[in-house]
Amino acid sequence: DVKVTQSSRYLVKRTGEKVFLECVQDMDHENMFWYRQDPGLGLRLIYFSYDVKMKEKGDIPEGYSVSREKKERFSLILESASTNQTSMYLCASSQKFGTSILETQYFGPGTRLLVL
Amino acid sequence: TQLLEQSPQFLSIQEGENLTVYCNSSSVFSSLQWYRQEPGEGPVLLVTVVTGGEVKKLKRLTFQFGDARKDSSLHITAAQPGDTGLYLCAGYNDMRFGAGTRLTVKP
Repeated sequence: DVKVTQSSRYLVKRTGEKVFLECVQDMDHENMFWYRQDPGLGLRLIYFSYDVKMKEKGDIPEGYSVSREKKERFSLILESASTNQTSMYLCASSQKFGTSILETQYFGPGTRLLVL
Repeated sequence: TQLLEQSPQFLSIQEGENLTVYCNSSSVFSSLQWYRQEPGEGPVLLVTVVTGGEVKKLKRLTFQFGDARKDSSLHITAAQPGDTGLYLCAGYNDMRFGAGTRLTVKP
């Protein structure tokens, strides 16, 4: 079974802190994704990566950066946390993109971040 | 960006009832997925539909892809409390998700 793990289930940080969210997958997937999930807004894509050291902006990259130094690990960084970044953060991975068929995304359990 | 609209946003029913939830867009999709997310967990894939008019069944769940490939529906027969969760659709090719339908099935 594919396993995607996230470093923390719950996290409380103060405004202005630098926050690292770590995600690790064990299925040698090429693609990895970071989403945030807010009530009524669904999942919004922050960043994704289709290869080591490669990254692409999603819909809401402002205030975030990412790092993918190894294939299995994709980190989301909040450079200076703000209260509007309080949210559930979900990491996902999938195999390499096909031509027209969605690849299955495997999600981690999520990190619920509270910024005070 | 392809906008996916899901309806209803919330649905609360009694065990044993049938229900249908919808995923609509003005764009044509080459494929579409349905996920279910249970409280405290990440979404899990239920099905991928590819062909216009396609119908797929997963036990009591029936998924249909519209003929024009702009919409999809999920029908649940005889809902059970274990069906409770957030149902999300996602469309190719930009990995965007709808906002979801939050289903509660009461015993």
